[in-house]
Amino acid sequence: GAGVSQSPSNKVTEKGKDVELRCDPISGHTALYWYRQSLGQGLEFLIYFQGNSAPDKSGLPSDRFSAERTGGSVSTLTIQRTQQEDSAVYLCASSWGAGQNTGELFFGEGSRLTVL
Amino acid sequence: QQQVKQSPQSLIVQKGGISIINCAYENTAFDYFPWYQQFPGKGPALLIAIRPDVSEKKEGRFTISFNKSAKQFSLHIMDSQPGDSATYFCAASISGSARQLTFGSGTQLTVLP
Repeated sequence: GAGVSQSPSNKVTEKGKDVELRCDPISGHTALYWYRQSLGQGLEFLIYFQGNSAPDKSGLPSDRFSAERTGGSVSTLTIQRTQQEDSAVYLCASSWGAGQNTGELFFGEGSRLTVL
Repeated sequence: QQQVKQSPQSLIVQKGGISIINCAYENTAFDYFPWYQQFPGKGPALLIAIRPDVSEKKEGRFTISFNKSAKQFSLHIMDSQPGDSATYFCAASISGSARQLTFGSGTQLTVLP
């Protein structure tokens, strides 16, 4: 499809386990973002990738969270030793990069993580 | 300086009524103000956006009103429909950069049939 694709759509895990969430952005978009949305809450910025530049990790809540973006396309968000407070919907978004800013983010449908 | 404050947190409107959601900001460098709409189980999607060179922008039943001196902007949904029931986020950015987007906390709108 032409939109941002995220997998899995739902993930249930036990406390202490590691999880990986995947995002496939829109083709041609050089910027990629991860946000977290807790139940009934707003959008919490986690991390931003732009081309080959060093990622902006300023929103990651702890060192248990990390993300990679391979080949300037697909990204993986990894949460190690999951805690119950990590339960949330993790949203990925992509956009045109610097120099082509329209200010619009294109979001995927999210990965709902439940930590038991 | 980077916050965008949104109200109300939730809103219930009768079908055919007007829904109004308000946002306020502090950073005068913000120059792009989008609204995102999110349906349950979906990601947010851009609904309408405004730049500060105009005081109002209308697209169908959706209107953004912008008050630069008060540093406030609002979304008006005319003739609200049950299909408009969703969560609405205001946002603001500098130089129209998606990277600089700062989101409000969201408003859950319910339009009763």
